[in-house]
Amino acid sequence: EAGVAQSPRYKIIEKRQSVAFWCNPISGHATLYWYQQILGQGPKLLIQFQNNGVVDDSQLPKDRFSAERLKGVDSTLKIQPAKLEDSAVYLCASGTGSYEQYFGPGTRLTVT
Amino acid sequence: GEDVEQSLFLSVREGDSSVINCTYTDSSSTYLYWYKQEPGAGLQLLTYIFSNMDMKQDQRLTVLLNKKDKHLSLRIADTQTGDSAIYFCAESINNNDMRFGAGTRLTVKP
Repeated sequence: EAGVAQSPRYKIIEKRQSVAFWCNPISGHATLYWYQQILGQGPKLLIQFQNNGVVDDSQLPKDRFSAERLKGVDSTLKIQPAKLEDSAVYLCASGTGSYEQYFGPGTRLTVT
Repeated sequence: GEDVEQSLFLSVREGDSSVINCTYTDSSSTYLYWYKQEPGAGLQLLTYIFSNMDMKQDQRLTVLLNKKDKHLSLRIADTQTGDSAIYFCAESINNNDMRFGAGTRLTVKP
């Protein structure tokens, strides 16, 4: 069974630029999560989707971050404009809605 | 600060047991998890425990849960160099709003 795929694996941008990350969850998984993991910290949930609807986006900085999950499969997370403090690893996870979440390898973003 | 707290570092010798501790704050958490993260990789679920249990054993891993003190521990028996990684404790309510600790970096010395 293929795991959660994310791309790109690494991205370096300058502050005030825009960036987008892509996630392809495990086939059949209805629930999809985006996390931000700042160096030295645990992952922090940004947004949770159930199919193509948003379940929880309370910790998403909506003035600059946006996410969508068209057709309830793939998802993109966008940052516009980026700030220095957005430097982090962005993790995507998917699940069936039970106890387990399966994580992708993450996208490491560096904002200079 | 973190809702879930862990010590940041642990160093053990190969073959010894490792015990990683965690405290959490939400008494209504229904699931408690241990994840492993190796360099450059995503998080891998090692084990989980329901809040109505106090112990779970899975091969070399033993999880102990003290709900009264909101304390969770992970014991790794016969620790190997391949166990070197960062271990994250996490809590959730019905698999929603999962909150992670900052992670404990386990170093296993040969």
